[in-house]
Amino acid sequence: DQQVKQNSPSLSVQEGRISILNCDYTNSMFDYFLWYKKYPAEGPTFLISISSIKDKNEDGRFTVFLNKSAKHLSLHIVPSQPGDSAVYFCAASLSGSARQLTFGSGTQLTVLP
Amino acid sequence: DVKVTQSSRYLVKRTGEKVFLECVQDMDHENMFWYRQDPGLGLRLIYFSYDVKMKEKGDIPEGYSVSREKKERFSLILESASTNQTSMYLCASSGDRVANTIYFGEGSWLTVV
Repeated sequence: DQQVKQNSPSLSVQEGRISILNCDYTNSMFDYFLWYKKYPAEGPTFLISISSIKDKNEDGRFTVFLNKSAKHLSLHIVPSQPGDSAVYFCAASLSGSARQLTFGSGTQLTVLP
Repeated sequence: DVKVTQSSRYLVKRTGEKVFLECVQDMDHENMFWYRQDPGLGLRLIYFSYDVKMKEKGDIPEGYSVSREKKERFSLILESASTNQTSMYLCASSGDRVANTIYFGEGSWLTVV
């Protein structure tokens, strides 16, 4: 049973608009959440993270929101750019540990020019 | 910049063959990981190593073994490859055990026929 779920395998957005990628988790013990971006033929790279003691973290065009009661997090990209087209993985961790990372299945974001 | 290099990008092997996937990192990281990525399942941890000659099973270790004889090198071994091991394999390393410090290699696509 997947503890971290990304229910949308793909998302298309027009350039300049907002992209919203969603992620749900089931384990209430997760206390650290991350987003990774993956381009074709490259490994995933860390994008942004949030601790469970916060409900929002912002880094430039990227903002992650955490709703603990709903066990839901989302990644907002504003404005979206064609270079943002990639697969985005949500991940959750116990105690922020790299050993205890659980990944979602990924969402392919396509930003249309 | 951290570099995690996976020597073989694309491999085709026959059922029953012994397969070695090699990974080298250049940042003197203690921790190294092997994941496999499958459609709809995200990244799943196969094995983790926190020091030379030290290893821990991940979530899906069956059918795999690992070797860490030198700090910079972490090998994944399929003793007798099977078709259900056809997948993308990702190596990663981190300097500490914090989840947002993981660096991934570019991946190795393995097809077992």
